[in-house]
Amino acid sequence: GAGVSQSPSNKVTEKGKDVELRCDPISGHTALYWYRQSLGQGLEFLIYFQGNSAPDKSGLPSDRFSAERTGGSVSTLTIQRTQQEDSAVYLCASSPLGRFGTQYFGPGTRLTVL
Amino acid sequence: DAKTTQPNSMESNEEEPVHLPCNHSTISGTDYIHWYRQLPSQGPEYVIHGLTSNVNNRMASLAIAEDRKSSTLILHRATLRDAAVYYCILSRRGGSEKLVFGKGTKLTVNP
Repeated sequence: GAGVSQSPSNKVTEKGKDVELRCDPISGHTALYWYRQSLGQGLEFLIYFQGNSAPDKSGLPSDRFSAERTGGSVSTLTIQRTQQEDSAVYLCASSPLGRFGTQYFGPGTRLTVL
Repeated sequence: DAKTTQPNSMESNEEEPVHLPCNHSTISGTDYIHWYRQLPSQGPEYVIHGLTSNVNNRMASLAIAEDRKSSTLILHRATLRDAAVYYCILSRRGGSEKLVFGKGTKLTVNP
């Protein structure tokens, strides 16, 4: 079946611009996660959605970062006033109910801030 | 979150078994051991997980020490496509759902 999809695959933007990154999770998966991976660095948790519960935003690095999940499916990660240190690969993952710890990742969006 | 320790890198020859170690001496009774891998330019991929007993699936085997303070991911016959960074992660049922990735072990497979 279809896996997690993300768009765009690559995004180049200028410092100070806003960007939106999209994630389509696997159909029926109730949990959705955003991570980012900077060049040569490990994966860093950003935010987690589970059903209708309040999201866990503990990993968002600043208030320039926000995310929403509409209708329990598609999610959008928004970065306002982008900075060069925001350059990274942004990864989305989803997980079915009850399968905690088992996450299925998308291919990522490579964001470059000039 | 309990911490895991893995070697930075390992090498193997094609078609030979590979044993990737992970130490997690501060593991708690409710922590599951998960393994993921990340191939070049791809997102992480779930490999296997376990709690106390050894586990097998089509990708690999997971051997868990009796005291659960260490585990080993076993690839029975390495292929060139197994070259990746392998991450050992602890995840607690009822705790935070996020995965905390360390540096992992970079596996090189020689032809």
